[in-house]
Amino acid sequence: DQQVKQNSPSLSVQEGRISILNCDYTNSMFDYFLWYKKYPAEGPTFLISISSIKDKNEDGRFTVFLNKSAKHLSLHIVPSQPGDSAVYFCAASWGGSGTASKLTFGTGTRLQVTL
Amino acid sequence: EAQVTQNPRYLITVTGKKLTVTCSQNMNHEYMSWYRQDPGLGLRQIYYSMNVEVTDKGDVPEGYKVSRKEKRNFPLILESPSPNQTSLYFCASSLLGGASFFGQGTRLTVV
Repeated sequence: DQQVKQNSPSLSVQEGRISILNCDYTNSMFDYFLWYKKYPAEGPTFLISISSIKDKNEDGRFTVFLNKSAKHLSLHIVPSQPGDSAVYFCAASWGGSGTASKLTFGTGTRLQVTL
Repeated sequence: EAQVTQNPRYLITVTGKKLTVTCSQNMNHEYMSWYRQDPGLGLRQIYYSMNVEVTDKGDVPEGYKVSRKEKRNFPLILESPSPNQTSLYFCASSLLGGASFFGQGTRLTVV
């Protein structure tokens, strides 16, 4: 039972354009969502997060949008750069205090930014 | 430098031979956890620990043991490894309520 789903295994975007990575979840108890980026032979690194009390969080080129009614979140990268090429994992947690510690991950989307 | 260190990075072993993968963090984090990453399944949590001597099962704990005798260390123990435990393993740590920092991973092959 996959509670966090990333239905697009891969995405290719031209440099300078917008990358949109999508994530859906089924567990309405989730109250904190995170995006991680993973390069080959490295561990995932934290990118950006959003609490369920918000619908948008922005950090530089990265913006995460949360639609609670649709149980959907998305990560927007603008403008996309070649260094953004990686696997992106969506993760969710719940715990009342917004703990981001016990994470349920999606299966990942491989983003390739082409020149 | 803040980091989570796992050892070894690569390990090939035989079925049934006990092994331990070590994990150490230098950030004084309370929370530590182990994940395995498999193709098409993403990262799945094996065990986690909220603090010293406090551990609990994650989503896929069968065949694994952990201990948390010191705050900085959280070893993963496979008492009798089997081929279905061939995977990429990640250790992570965080402050309670904070985002997790991950180690570089341990690629385990059980033959």
